[in-house]
Amino acid sequence: NAGVTQTPKFRVLKTGQSMTLLCAQDMNHEYMYWYRQDPGMGLRLIHYSVGEGTTAKGEVPDGYNVSRLKKQNFLLGLESAAPSQTSVYFCASSYGAPLSTTNEKLFFGSGTQLSVL
Amino acid sequence: KQEVTQIPAALSVPEGENLVLNCSFTDSAIYNLQWFRQDPGKGLTSLLLIQSSQREQTSGRLNASLDKSSGRSTLYIAASQPGDSATYLCATNNNAGNMLTFGGGTRLMVKP
Repeated sequence: NAGVTQTPKFRVLKTGQSMTLLCAQDMNHEYMYWYRQDPGMGLRLIHYSVGEGTTAKGEVPDGYNVSRLKKQNFLLGLESAAPSQTSVYFCASSYGAPLSTTNEKLFFGSGTQLSVL
Repeated sequence: KQEVTQIPAALSVPEGENLVLNCSFTDSAIYNLQWFRQDPGKGLTSLLLIQSSQREQTSGRLNASLDKSSGRSTLYIAASQPGDSATYLCATNNNAGNMLTFGGGTRLMVKP
């Protein structure tokens, strides 16, 4: 069972470079999320999607863009990377609105460690 | 704005001890609450989800309780094992929609 797959697992960028993080899920989930995790800050929501073709801003969206062209994929883009974007990025998905019912658990990928020099 | 706090930030116990991890939240109008486990360098794995109408949920040696009125949830781990060593996070949403708020986590070390 693949679940939620993130690529790449590690990346080092120079300030100003761009990159795209890919998240793929094979559980037919409608909802997908991008979080960043920083020491002492916990997990913070960057952007999310409630279905194919939709995106919405989360708590910390500045400097990031997302796209959900296919239901199974959710892409996170950094157009001009900054050192403040050094973090571990996690993708997550759920079938419905997370935690709205007993079955709407949130499933996470294994993360992408990004360093911006 | 919902704030979720987990205290202590780190906990070390000898193998075999029963222990309790705490999660508190400022807005009691939550929908549900979920406990996760995170191993070093890994993603989060769901442990238990408690609906706002429930008092507790159990899975094996884990028992999670919820007291909405006091803004608290606890995760009880019975007969702890070295394999339980990980960071445990709680998260909750509210009736407003799709955004979860996570606590900072408790890093648990169970010593053999």
